[in-house]
Amino acid sequence: DAMVIQNPRYQVTQFGKPVTLSCSQTLNHNVMYWYQQKSSQAPKLLFHYYDKDFNNEADTPDNFQSRRPNTSFCFLDIRSPGLGDAAMYLCATSRDGGGGDNEKLFFGSGTQLSVL
Amino acid sequence: QKEVEQNSGPLSVPEGAIASLNCTYSDRGSQSFFWYRQYSGKSPELIMSIYSNGDKEDGRFTAQLNKASQYVSLLIRDSQPSDSATYLCAVENQAGTALIFGKGTTLSVSS
Repeated sequence: DAMVIQNPRYQVTQFGKPVTLSCSQTLNHNVMYWYQQKSSQAPKLLFHYYDKDFNNEADTPDNFQSRRPNTSFCFLDIRSPGLGDAAMYLCATSRDGGGGDNEKLFFGSGTQLSVL
Repeated sequence: QKEVEQNSGPLSVPEGAIASLNCTYSDRGSQSFFWYRQYSGKSPELIMSIYSNGDKEDGRFTAQLNKASQYVSLLIRDSQPSDSATYLCAVENQAGTALIFGKGTTLSVSS
């Protein structure tokens, strides 16, 4: 089945130690997104790639970076995790953005990040 | 970032009742609207999309959209305990490139 896969499901890191979360997709979708969701809060868009074009949200801290080496894979790098970065990180894809059915998001299972 | 507002609840309904979930949004230019269901500790899953004013029905779910009032709602008929979850309203952003989510409404269906 076509899907969005995130690894690992749970990630524990130390304060200040760089960490990378990964996402892959077999849907062949053009757009890949990273959302951050803290407990009882809305998923917050960090950034997205339309193909190779990177789109950063204005309020995403510089501590968060992303890479998309090819259509199938996208990575979230947190350069120096703080305690406030503990959250569920959700990777999602959409066919093409741009509204309507093309904008439907397909989510991976998420990575729950803990910072000690 | 434009806002999407939902009553966080919890909304409690007995099994078999109709659950009504509401959402308002601030960007008058938004054209695409979605409802996602999220179980605790899981990722959101799409249950409804709506793009035109009026009602859209899919099984026990009905989405309602009123662009003039900037209001979108979700009705769940014959609510089941398995419907107990957080329901997220999502609205496309101003650029039409991504979705902005509300905080969600937690629904509890008692048997």
